[in-house]
Amino acid sequence: SQKIEQNSEALNIQEGKTATLTCNYTNYSPAYLQWYRQDPGRGPVFLLLIRENEKEKRKERLKVTFDTTLKQSLFHITASQPADSATYLCALVLNDYKLSFGAGTTVTVRA
Amino acid sequence: GAVVSQHPSRVICKSGTSVKIECRSLDFQATTMFWYRQFPKQSLMLMATSNEGSKATYEQGVEKDKFLINHASLTLSTLTVTSAHPEDSSFYICSVRDLISRISNEQFFGPGTRLTVL
Repeated sequence: SQKIEQNSEALNIQEGKTATLTCNYTNYSPAYLQWYRQDPGRGPVFLLLIRENEKEKRKERLKVTFDTTLKQSLFHITASQPADSATYLCALVLNDYKLSFGAGTTVTVRA
Repeated sequence: GAVVSQHPSRVICKSGTSVKIECRSLDFQATTMFWYRQFPKQSLMLMATSNEGSKATYEQGVEKDKFLINHASLTLSTLTVTSAHPEDSSFYICSVRDLISRISNEQFFGPGTRLTVL
């Protein structure tokens, strides 16, 4: 069966450190992979998209990698800040443009 | 990016009643909108794809007669939960897909509607 797994439910880190989140998938062949941020009681907000032929994508303090052989994406938040505290969702973009989401990893950055 | 609103943000209703949730695209015309449901600490699950001027396409396991979707205009889609039961209590979120965005697969999400059925 198809499955998307994000490494852990929760990640607690010290301000200034790098948070690394993992997204693994099975039985999918996504054309794209996206990462979203979701704050409590709010809808997700798009952060980054990476295509199957791209190895790495950066946006300010965020970095995403995509390994289609391992079927894995890594999401890094460098120089983390308390304002980065949120739940981060990975989503696979399927051929019909539908999104299939992981359950998310909640990041808490301690000051 | 696109601005998407939902109304109401929260609703509490009695079991057996119907509830309508609106999703509006405020700054562009959306031919396609998506409806998701999210239970606590779980992922967003796609319920249906709403197409302007035609019938919605429902995902496997979603009852189309229970979750009525109407996409009568390019800026408005509605989801009606009919004969709601406590197990329908969830966070309902809509999204729109911006066809002219340079990131053509980016979806813009509404703020969500928290439904509680007593």
